[in-house]
Amino acid sequence: QQPVQSPQAVILREGEDAVINCSSSKALYSVHWYRQKHGEAPVFLMILLKGGEQKGHEKISASFNEKKQQSSLYLTASQLSYSGTYFCGTEDAWDTGTASKLTFGTGTRLQVTL
Amino acid sequence: DSGVTQTPKHLITATGQRVTLRCSPRSGDLSVYWYQQSLDQGLQFLIQYYNGEERAKGNILERFSAQQFPDLHSELNLSSLELGDSALYFCASSGSGTGELFFGEGSRLTVL
Repeated sequence: QQPVQSPQAVILREGEDAVINCSSSKALYSVHWYRQKHGEAPVFLMILLKGGEQKGHEKISASFNEKKQQSSLYLTASQLSYSGTYFCGTEDAWDTGTASKLTFGTGTRLQVTL
Repeated sequence: DSGVTQTPKHLITATGQRVTLRCSPRSGDLSVYWYQQSLDQGLQFLIQYYNGEERAKGNILERFSAQQFPDLHSELNLSSLELGDSALYFCASSGSGTGELFFGEGSRLTVL
């Protein structure tokens, strides 16, 4: 079952913060985040494993709440280069961590303006 | 550049026809994945191969088939094409253990 992402779309001014949420109805083993710019391939951002781990990549970080089966992606002091569609991909708890088990959400379209 | 190469980049064909999409994974990656992305949709997993063997199947239609060759390149065959098959088809590869997918630039299929 496909994870649900919210919001579906968001427009930010440069320098503002944003949070993108990903929720699943199933117990999760891991959550993956990808960003896809218009007309390009998705690019890996980070993987979070069960255990409530929080990871960061410069001004982009994420958390994973295993109990709530949710993950959130935090974009701080957004830059124009952050524009794109963000996808979460989830792996169910009984899987062994292979990417073939990833189920992607429908994406959150983020636009950063001047 | 992800290191994953897909050809052709664009393809226009008619209903009922058959096409083959080709993918060369990153050097050293044994796993190849195929995804379908329709307009404004997420990424739908089709099939995975690992070192020549089918590893997992997703929502792949019976009209579609794939294989991975000894040199690890993969082909996705789409037959009896329908208008609804128009989409962007991505190939991705991964190495062992990390779970990170490296996507190619995709093949955009238009069925008229």
